[in-house]
Amino acid sequence: SQQGEEDPQALSIQEGENATMNCSYKTSINNLQWYRQNSGRGLVHLILIRSNEREKHSGRLRVTLDTSKKSSSLLITASRAADTASYFCAPRSETSGSRLTFGEGTQLTVNP
Amino acid sequence: EPEVTQTPSHQVTQMGQEVILRCVPISNHLYFYWYRQILGQKVEFLVSFYNNEISEKSEIFDDQFSVERPDGSNFTLKIRSTKLEDSAMYFCASSWGGETQYFGPGTRLLVL
Repeated sequence: SQQGEEDPQALSIQEGENATMNCSYKTSINNLQWYRQNSGRGLVHLILIRSNEREKHSGRLRVTLDTSKKSSSLLITASRAADTASYFCAPRSETSGSRLTFGEGTQLTVNP
Repeated sequence: EPEVTQTPSHQVTQMGQEVILRCVPISNHLYFYWYRQILGQKVEFLVSFYNNEISEKSEIFDDQFSVERPDGSNFTLKIRSTKLEDSAMYFCASSWGGETQYFGPGTRLLVL
């Protein structure tokens, strides 16, 4: 299975600012998903981007995918204190099977 | 909006005891999963279940673990003889088509 590596490990910003976090992976993918986890809670699916897509939007979220660089980025615009959470990417390939494999994530703190 | 539910939210047990963690997946979903997260560590895949059988399991999912879908709505994880190292948050997830997974809020298991 393939694991994404999120960068940075931690990010602290002020409310209203934008937050950008990155994900790198190693082998070709079919799609890549982003999830959020509030402290000690279950993961919440945010967005899925397919390998033939370059950019996708969902509300205040913008995800890009660069398959030539094997990387993805998640941009949260106009951040709120409620966006404070850990963010994970989950790249999926033909050989991923059914599992999602999570890395260490990016811990985002949005200060009011 | 439909969601995955898990019971109990917290469980304390003695080492060597059997525990059953319960999940009610989203009703029209076909794929079911268990993950766990030891405190301070990554979310780890345990097992996936489709068409009334295990479709994939990790190396963590040894003979002490079993899963069952006893009726049309519940999905359970049984740990036969708990060990101290089984203390973790256990997350159930479900998926309609095997891509996006929807996670429950988790059961915090403490083995004493």
